[in-house]
Amino acid sequence: AQSVTQLDSHVSVSEGTPVLLRCNYSSSYSPSLFWYVQHPNKGLQLLLKYTSAATLVKGINGFEAEFKKSETSFHLTKPSAHMSDAAEYFCVVSDLSGTYKYIFGTGTRLKVLA
Amino acid sequence: DARVTQTPRDKVTEMGQEVTMRCQPILGHNTVFWYRQTMMQGLELLAYFRNRAPLDDSGMPKDRFSAEMPDATLATLKIQPSEPRDSAVYFCASGVGLAGVADTQYFGPGTRLTVL
Repeated sequence: AQSVTQLDSHVSVSEGTPVLLRCNYSSSYSPSLFWYVQHPNKGLQLLLKYTSAATLVKGINGFEAEFKKSETSFHLTKPSAHMSDAAEYFCVVSDLSGTYKYIFGTGTRLKVLA
Repeated sequence: DARVTQTPRDKVTEMGQEVTMRCQPILGHNTVFWYRQTMMQGLELLAYFRNRAPLDDSGMPKDRFSAEMPDATLATLKIQPSEPRDSAVYFCASGVGLAGVADTQYFGPGTRLTVL
């Protein structure tokens, strides 16, 4: 069965410093992995997805994530945080057993300090 | 810019009343998902449709919730009767639904339901 663990429930960074949001997954299959962002009172927006092509995936707004099979990780990074990045971030693995349902992490709330 | 739309955006109702939430998936998408988000439980999948047929509604309380797709452009989620514990944000998402491929889901803005 697939599962995903977001290692930090809250992360605080200063504006202009790097962002690292950590995600580990468990999957019996070659996984499809996603990162979504949710700003307050908004829906979830797709940041990026990994589907077994390049291991370094570039997304919107300067975010990227690296798929590391040996570490079963899919951490999200950004070189320089902006105030507008403050939001909740969800790591998602797609259930490949036939249903293709999403399995969500518990979310990481990113705070950006001025 | 194709988007999933949901109505209403906010709904306040009294316990016992019927609530209907509507979702218009992105044109051409054939999978539709209903989720509920609360602080305590996070995101929960309530129901999942492919080509308008319900594939999985195991996350939905059957006695009071029902989900349908009357046509390809409309999905509905009904609660009857509503209870205070149903207060949450309800999201609809849609996907292309290609066979054998992990679908990317595109989320609507949500309906914030408050049951008094």
